[in-house]
Amino acid sequence: GAVVSQHPSRVICKSGTSVKIECRSLDFQATTMFWYRQFPKQSLMLMATSNEGSKATYEQGVEKDKFLINHASLTLSTLTVTSAHPEDSSFYICSARAGTGGFYEQYFGPGTRLTVT
Amino acid sequence: GEDVEQSLFLSVREGDSSVINCTYTDSSSTYLYWYKQEPGAGLQLLTYIFSNMDMKQDQRLTVLLNKKDKHLSLRIADTQTGDSAIYFCAESRHNTDKLIFGTGTRLQVFP
Repeated sequence: GAVVSQHPSRVICKSGTSVKIECRSLDFQATTMFWYRQFPKQSLMLMATSNEGSKATYEQGVEKDKFLINHASLTLSTLTVTSAHPEDSSFYICSARAGTGGFYEQYFGPGTRLTVT
Repeated sequence: GEDVEQSLFLSVREGDSSVINCTYTDSSSTYLYWYKQEPGAGLQLLTYIFSNMDMKQDQRLTVLLNKKDKHLSLRIADTQTGDSAIYFCAESRHNTDKLIFGTGTRLQVFP
C-alpha cells in the first residue's frame, strides 16, 4: 500500500519558538493533504486541507497565522507551528490522498508528537 | 451537526467476536470507514462501505450499515490480542474530501 512519512516523529521545543513538521507521500503523488490534531484519548480533529500549489483551507477555529501550511509539491506538505505555546502540545497527524471526488483512500502518516515546554 | 459518536471502551476475550458501534447524524454521508490506530501511530484503514450498501464482509471483518438509524457497526470475528487498539469510524460527505471522525473505541483483548 501507499506510504506516508512524517518527520520528525517527536519534537520538543521551547515556548515562543517555531517548529516545522514534514509530511511526505513516498510512492504516490498526493493531490490533497490533510493535517489533523489529536489530543490524548480523543479523536482526530481536522485542522486544514491543502491542495498542491494552492493555499490551504483551514477549519473553523484554526488560526492560519499560527499553523502555516505549505504544499509546494505533489509529495510534500509542511506544517509550521509558529510561536508555539504549551497548549499547542499535541499529536499531529497528516494524511495524503491521490485524487479528488469519489473514493480515494487517505493514507495516514505515523504522526508527530509535539511537546512545548 | 457533525457528531459521530462511539462508545469509549470494549473489552473482549481472545477468540470471541467484538462489535464496535458508531452513530452519526448527517444523512448526506457517502462513505463510512473504519480505521485502526495502534499506540503512538497513525491510522490504518480497515474497511469502508458506500452509503447505498447495508453490509460488507472482508475476512474477519463485517460492517453493517443501518442508514435509517444512522448506525454503523464493525464486527471482528475471532478477536486476537493483536486487534487491541483504538478503532475510529469516520464519514465523508458528497463533494467534500473531509473525513469526520468518531470519538474512538478502545478495544482491549484479554487472553
